Amino acid sequence: AQSVTQPDIHITVSEGASLELRCNYSYGATPYLFWYVQSPGQGLQLLLKYFSGDTLVQGIKGFEAEFKRSQSSFNLRKPSVHWSDAAEYFCAVGPSNDYKLSFGAGTTVTVRA
Amino acid sequence: NAGVTQTPKFQVLKTGQSMTLQCAQDMNHNSMYWYRQDPGMGLRLIYYSASEGTTDKGEVPNGYNVSRLNKREFSLRLESAAPSQTSVYFCASRKQGARGDGYTFGSGTRLTVV
Repeated sequence: AQSVTQPDIHITVSEGASLELRCNYSYGATPYLFWYVQSPGQGLQLLLKYFSGDTLVQGIKGFEAEFKRSQSSFNLRKPSVHWSDAAEYFCAVGPSNDYKLSFGAGTTVTVRA
Repeated sequence: NAGVTQTPKFQVLKTGQSMTLQCAQDMNHNSMYWYRQDPGMGLRLIYYSASEGTTDKGEVPNGYNVSRLNKREFSLRLESAAPSQTSVYFCASRKQGARGDGYTFGSGTRLTVV
C-alpha cells in the first residue's frame, strides 16, 4: 500500500529565510509525486510534480523539490520565503497504473516578519 | 473557465439529516474524486469515478454514496449524517491519460453535523 509521511506538523520561518518541507513516501515501484499548497479557506493548488526524468523539479511560486529514490523522499524547498507563502502544504503519491492519490497529513507554514 | 465548482460552500446539518454535495467540472475531465480533509489526517479518498458510468470506493466510503450523473457532475450523498462526518469535503477531477498533471480541486464544502 502507498503512504506518505510529512514529519513536520508546523514550521515557522522568517520572511526571506529558506524553507524545506520534508516528505517521505512508501511505494513499491516508481511513484508519481506531487506537492500541493492550500491557502486558508481555499482548495489545493498544484505546486509541482515528479514522475520521471530529472530528479530536481521546478514548480510555481519559486518552489523546487528533489526526488531521492534511495531515501524515499521528495522534499520541497524555497530559497527565500515571502509572507504569502504562509499556507498548508501537502505531499501526495500515486501509482503509475492508477490515479488514486494518497496525501500526507500536511505541514503548516507560518511566516514571521 | 470555472474549473471545479462545489456547492454549497458551508452547511450545518443535524444528526440524521441527509444532504447531497454537488460537484461539477467544465474541463472535460474523465475522472472525478471526493476527498474529506480532517485536521492532522490530510485528505482521505471517499469515492472516485474513473469515467462516466463507473464509481468505486476509496479509503473511507462508509456513510456515503455517490452518483456520476454525467461527465461533468459527481455528487456525494450523506443519507443519515453523523457528527463523525463533520469535515471539509473536496471534489477533484483529472484528465484521463494525464497522470502527470495531477488533480484540479474545487474550493471545498465545510460541513458541520451537530
